[in-house]
Amino acid sequence: QVQMKETGPGLVQTTQTLSVTCTVSGFSLTSYGVHWVRQAPGKGLEWMGIIWGDGSTNYNSALKSRLSISRDTSKSQVFLTMNSLQTDDTAVYYCAEQYFDFWGPGTMVTVSS
Amino acid sequence: DIQLTQSPSTLPASLGERVTISCRASQSISNSLNWYQQKPDGTVKRLIYSTSTLESGVPSRFSGSGSGTDYSLSISSLESEDFAMYYCLQYATYPLTFGSGTKLEIK
Repeated sequence: QVQMKETGPGLVQTTQTLSVTCTVSGFSLTSYGVHWVRQAPGKGLEWMGIIWGDGSTNYNSALKSRLSISRDTSKSQVFLTMNSLQTDDTAVYYCAEQYFDFWGPGTMVTVSS
Repeated sequence: DIQLTQSPSTLPASLGERVTISCRASQSISNSLNWYQQKPDGTVKRLIYSTSTLESGVPSRFSGSGSGTDYSLSISSLESEDFAMYYCLQYATYPLTFGSGTKLEIK
């Protein structure tokens, strides 16, 4: 049974760096990729990036300069790191399995000055 | 980047009604399109993959069709649990892109 869960800081200051963790179970990170998707309040879904089973990554071009996705396969965890945060980075951050079959419940991150 | 234009943005409808949501891509995406439902609590569920394949467990009143740049999601007879947000997603080319969403609301 696949499960995914995001864990984030809740509140981050502007210009600081965001770190969100996605912990998965029921599949291997070396076999399947994990996406990050975010949703600002009242807005649609925005694809952020993916880390593939081989460890390579693809990023949304609009976020690429600020975004990094990494993983710890021994802990079944995927990490999203994004720097130079602004208030419009306030959103629910989701992780999802490679085929978008399974999503986490999301974690709300508020960026405040 | 491939842009997905989803319409309408809001769709008022009644129980039992048939509705259709459109998703148009800025270039051909060769049937590489999924449909998702998002409930008010934020839960996201895949309904349709590869344009027209129904996800296991999804009611048969949902269907998808299309080709090239034009795709659609239809619900044949609305039930109360269908009132939610719907998004299309193209995975033909990276970066992946979502449509802007359709809010299906009770008329």
